[in-house]
Amino acid sequence: GAGVSQSPSNKVTEKGKDVELRCDPISGHTALYWYRQSLGQGLEFLIYFQGNSAPDKSGLPSDRFSAERTGGSVSTLTIQRTQQEDSAVYLCASSLGVVNKPQHFGDGTRLSIL
Amino acid sequence: GQQVMQIPQYQHVQEGEDFTTYCNSSTTLSNIQWYKQRPGGHPVFLIQLVKSGEVKKQKRLTFQFGEAKKNSSLHITATQTTDVGTYFCAGPSKAAGNKLTFGGGTRVLVKP
Repeated sequence: GAGVSQSPSNKVTEKGKDVELRCDPISGHTALYWYRQSLGQGLEFLIYFQGNSAPDKSGLPSDRFSAERTGGSVSTLTIQRTQQEDSAVYLCASSLGVVNKPQHFGDGTRLSIL
Repeated sequence: GQQVMQIPQYQHVQEGEDFTTYCNSSTTLSNIQWYKQRPGGHPVFLIQLVKSGEVKKQKRLTFQFGEAKKNSSLHITATQTTDVGTYFCAGPSKAAGNKLTFGGGTRVLVKP
Protein backbone atom coordinates (compact mmCIF):
# COMPACT_ATOMS: atom_id res chain seq x y z
CA GLY A 1 0.00 0.00 0.00
CA ALA A 2 0.90 3.67 -0.09
CA GLY A 3 1.56 3.94 3.62
CA VAL A 4 1.76 2.02 6.86
CA SER A 5 -1.60 0.48 7.67
CA GLN A 6 -2.71 -0.40 11.19
CA SER A 7 -5.81 -2.22 12.33
CA PRO A 8 -8.05 -1.87 14.11
CA SER A 9 -8.02 1.92 14.37
CA ASN A 10 -9.86 1.71 17.68
CA LYS A 11 -10.21 -1.14 20.13
CA VAL A 12 -12.23 -1.17 23.32
CA THR A 13 -11.97 -4.24 25.47
CA GLU A 14 -12.50 -5.40 29.01
CA LYS A 15 -9.70 -5.78 31.48
CA GLY A 16 -8.23 -9.25 31.38
CA LYS A 17 -8.94 -9.89 27.71
CA ASP A 18 -6.23 -10.48 25.10
CA VAL A 19 -5.86 -8.12 22.14
CA GLU A 20 -4.03 -8.32 18.83
CA LEU A 21 -2.91 -5.25 16.95
CA ARG A 22 -1.85 -5.50 13.34
CA CYS A 23 0.63 -3.49 11.30
CA ASP A 24 1.12 -3.70 7.54
CA PRO A 25 4.30 -1.81 6.62
CA ILE A 26 5.19 -0.06 3.41
CA SER A 27 6.13 -2.61 0.78
CA GLY A 28 9.88 -3.21 0.71
CA HIS A 29 10.54 -1.76 4.17
CA THR A 30 12.70 -4.22 6.05
CA ALA A 31 12.54 -2.53 9.44
CA LEU A 32 9.37 -2.30 11.51
CA TYR A 33 8.88 -0.60 14.87
CA TRP A 34 6.23 -0.56 17.57
CA TYR A 35 5.74 2.41 19.89
CA ARG A 36 3.24 3.27 22.57
CA GLN A 37 2.02 6.81 23.19
CA SER A 38 -0.12 7.83 26.12
CA LEU A 39 -2.19 11.00 25.89
CA GLY A 40 0.03 14.06 25.68
CA GLN A 41 3.18 12.00 26.11
CA GLY A 42 6.15 11.08 23.96
CA LEU A 43 6.92 7.92 22.03
CA GLU A 44 7.69 4.88 24.15
CA PHE A 45 9.72 2.35 22.17
CA LEU A 46 8.46 -1.22 22.47
CA ILE A 47 10.20 -3.45 19.91
CA TYR A 48 11.62 -3.42 16.43
CA PHE A 49 12.13 -5.97 13.69
CA GLN A 50 14.79 -6.21 11.04
CA GLY A 51 13.25 -8.68 8.64
CA ASN A 52 11.55 -11.29 10.80
CA SER A 53 13.94 -11.08 13.71
CA ALA A 54 13.66 -8.76 16.69
CA PRO A 55 17.15 -7.56 17.73
CA ASP A 56 15.76 -5.30 20.44
CA LYS A 57 12.85 -6.28 22.66
CA SER A 58 14.01 -4.11 25.51
CA GLY A 59 10.99 -1.82 25.46
CA LEU A 60 8.31 -4.43 26.03
CA PRO A 61 6.77 -3.42 29.39
CA SER A 62 6.10 -6.95 30.66
CA ASP A 63 5.83 -10.57 29.57
CA ARG A 64 2.18 -9.90 28.72
CA PHE A 65 3.43 -8.13 25.60
CA SER A 66 4.73 -10.02 22.59
CA ALA A 67 5.17 -9.34 18.91
CA GLU A 68 5.95 -11.27 15.81
CA ARG A 69 6.58 -10.56 12.19
CA THR A 70 6.19 -13.09 9.44
CA GLY A 71 7.31 -13.04 5.83
CA GLY A 72 9.21 -9.85 6.47
CA SER A 73 5.96 -7.95 6.21
CA VAL A 74 2.95 -7.88 8.53
CA SER A 75 3.54 -7.68 12.27
CA THR A 76 1.23 -8.43 15.15
CA LEU A 77 1.53 -7.00 18.65
CA THR A 78 -0.28 -9.10 21.23
CA ILE A 79 -1.18 -7.98 24.72
CA GLN A 80 -2.40 -10.71 27.04
CA ARG A 81 -4.55 -10.19 30.12
CA THR A 82 -4.93 -6.50 29.40
CA GLN A 83 -4.86 -4.00 32.24
CA GLN A 84 -6.13 -0.44 32.39
CA GLU A 85 -2.61 0.98 32.22
CA ASP A 86 -2.28 -0.59 28.77
CA SER A 87 -4.71 2.04 27.44
CA ALA A 88 -2.80 4.15 24.90
CA VAL A 89 -2.26 4.67 21.19
CA TYR A 90 -0.04 1.98 19.71
CA LEU A 91 1.92 3.27 16.73
CA CYS A 92 3.70 1.22 14.13
CA ALA A 93 6.41 2.58 11.83
CA SER A 94 8.50 1.13 9.05
CA SER A 95 11.68 2.14 7.26
CA LEU A 96 13.84 0.97 4.38
CA GLY A 97 16.49 -0.04 6.87
CA VAL A 98 17.50 0.64 10.43
CA VAL A 99 20.48 2.87 9.74
CA ASN A 100 19.94 6.49 8.76
CA LYS A 101 16.51 5.92 7.26
CA PRO A 102 13.41 7.94 8.14
CA GLN A 103 10.53 6.14 9.79
CA HIS A 104 7.04 6.23 8.31
CA PHE A 105 4.27 5.94 10.85
CA GLY A 106 0.80 4.50 10.64
CA ASP A 107 -2.26 6.19 12.12
CA GLY A 108 -2.09 4.00 15.21
CA THR A 109 -4.51 1.84 17.15
CA ARG A 110 -6.26 3.57 20.03
CA LEU A 111 -6.64 0.93 22.74
CA SER A 112 -9.04 1.48 25.61
CA ILE A 113 -9.25 -0.98 28.47
CA LEU A 114 -12.44 -0.77 30.53
CA GLY B 1 22.49 4.32 27.34
CA GLN B 2 22.03 7.16 24.92
CA GLN B 3 19.64 9.90 25.96
CA VAL B 4 18.01 12.51 23.74
CA MET B 5 16.58 15.49 25.56
CA GLN B 6 14.40 18.24 24.14
CA ILE B 7 13.77 21.65 25.61
CA PRO B 8 11.44 23.23 26.23
CA GLN B 9 8.81 20.57 26.83
CA TYR B 10 6.08 23.11 26.08
CA GLN B 11 6.26 26.24 23.94
CA HIS B 12 3.45 28.79 23.91
CA VAL B 13 3.95 31.21 21.03
CA GLN B 14 2.05 34.25 19.90
CA GLU B 15 1.06 33.97 16.25
CA GLY B 16 3.61 35.80 14.14
CA GLU B 17 6.47 35.43 16.60
CA ASP B 18 9.63 33.35 16.21
CA PHE B 19 10.83 30.58 18.51
CA THR B 20 13.51 27.93 18.77
CA THR B 21 13.40 24.45 20.25
CA TYR B 22 16.48 22.46 21.14
CA CYS B 23 17.57 18.84 21.06
CA ASN B 24 20.57 17.51 23.00
CA SER B 25 22.13 14.07 22.88
CA SER B 26 24.34 12.47 25.50
CA THR B 27 26.45 10.95 22.70
CA THR B 28 27.73 12.05 19.30
CA LEU B 29 25.23 11.34 16.55
CA SER B 30 25.86 10.25 12.98
CA ASN B 31 22.69 12.06 12.00
CA ILE B 32 19.59 13.59 13.49
CA GLN B 33 16.01 13.47 12.30
CA TRP B 34 13.06 15.73 13.07
CA TYR B 35 9.41 14.73 13.07
CA LYS B 36 6.16 16.65 13.55
CA GLN B 37 3.01 15.22 15.10
CA ARG B 38 -0.17 17.23 14.68
CA PRO B 39 -2.81 16.88 17.41
CA GLY B 40 -4.64 13.59 16.85
CA GLY B 41 -2.19 12.56 14.16
CA HIS B 42 0.92 10.47 13.84
CA PRO B 43 4.56 11.62 13.64
CA VAL B 44 5.63 12.68 10.16
CA PHE B 45 9.26 12.84 9.07
CA LEU B 46 10.42 16.38 8.34
CA ILE B 47 14.14 16.30 7.71
CA GLN B 48 17.47 14.59 8.35
CA LEU B 49 20.76 16.35 9.07
CA VAL B 50 24.04 14.52 8.63
CA LYS B 51 26.98 16.93 8.49
CA SER B 52 28.53 18.85 11.34
CA GLY B 53 27.18 22.40 11.36
CA GLU B 54 24.63 21.61 8.66
CA VAL B 55 21.74 24.01 8.21
CA LYS B 56 18.62 23.18 6.22
CA LYS B 57 15.51 25.24 5.60
CA GLN B 58 11.96 24.28 4.86
CA LYS B 59 9.97 27.46 4.25
CA ARG B 60 9.73 29.08 7.72
CA LEU B 61 11.52 26.20 9.47
CA THR B 62 15.30 26.23 9.90
CA PHE B 63 17.06 23.12 11.19
CA GLN B 64 20.65 23.12 12.42
CA PHE B 65 23.02 20.34 13.46
CA GLY B 66 25.65 21.34 15.98
CA GLU B 67 29.37 21.39 15.23
CA ALA B 68 30.00 18.60 17.71
CA LYS B 69 27.04 16.62 16.33
CA LYS B 70 25.54 16.30 19.80
CA ASN B 71 22.80 18.88 19.51
CA SER B 72 20.33 20.31 17.06
CA SER B 73 17.82 23.10 16.88
CA LEU B 74 14.61 23.93 15.06
CA HIS B 75 13.79 27.59 14.55
CA ILE B 76 10.37 28.65 13.29
CA THR B 77 9.84 32.18 12.05
CA ALA B 78 6.50 34.00 11.91
CA THR B 79 4.67 31.19 13.68
CA GLN B 80 1.28 30.23 12.26
CA THR B 81 -1.57 28.17 13.69
CA THR B 82 -0.58 25.41 11.28
CA ASP B 83 2.65 25.03 13.25
CA VAL B 84 0.72 23.62 16.23
CA GLY B 85 1.86 20.14 17.21
CA THR B 86 4.67 18.22 18.84
CA TYR B 87 8.13 18.30 17.33
CA PHE B 88 10.34 15.30 18.01
CA CYS B 89 14.03 14.92 17.31
CA ALA B 90 15.60 11.48 17.01
CA GLY B 91 19.12 10.16 16.74
CA PRO B 92 20.61 6.71 16.19
CA SER B 93 21.93 4.80 19.18
CA LYS B 94 25.15 2.91 18.47
CA ALA B 95 24.54 0.78 21.54
CA ALA B 96 21.21 -0.31 20.08
CA GLY B 97 22.30 -1.16 16.56
CA ASN B 98 21.72 2.39 15.34
CA LYS B 99 18.03 2.25 16.16
CA LEU B 100 16.53 5.73 16.48
CA THR B 101 16.10 7.13 19.97
CA PHE B 102 13.40 9.79 20.15
CA GLY B 103 13.44 12.81 22.39
CA GLY B 104 10.44 13.62 24.55
CA GLY B 105 9.18 16.25 22.12
CA THR B 106 8.36 19.95 22.30
CA ARG B 107 4.64 20.67 22.33
CA VAL B 108 3.92 23.90 20.49
CA LEU B 109 0.76 25.88 21.13
CA VAL B 110 0.03 29.00 19.10
CA LYS B 111 -1.99 31.89 20.48
CA PRO B 112 -3.91 33.70 17.73
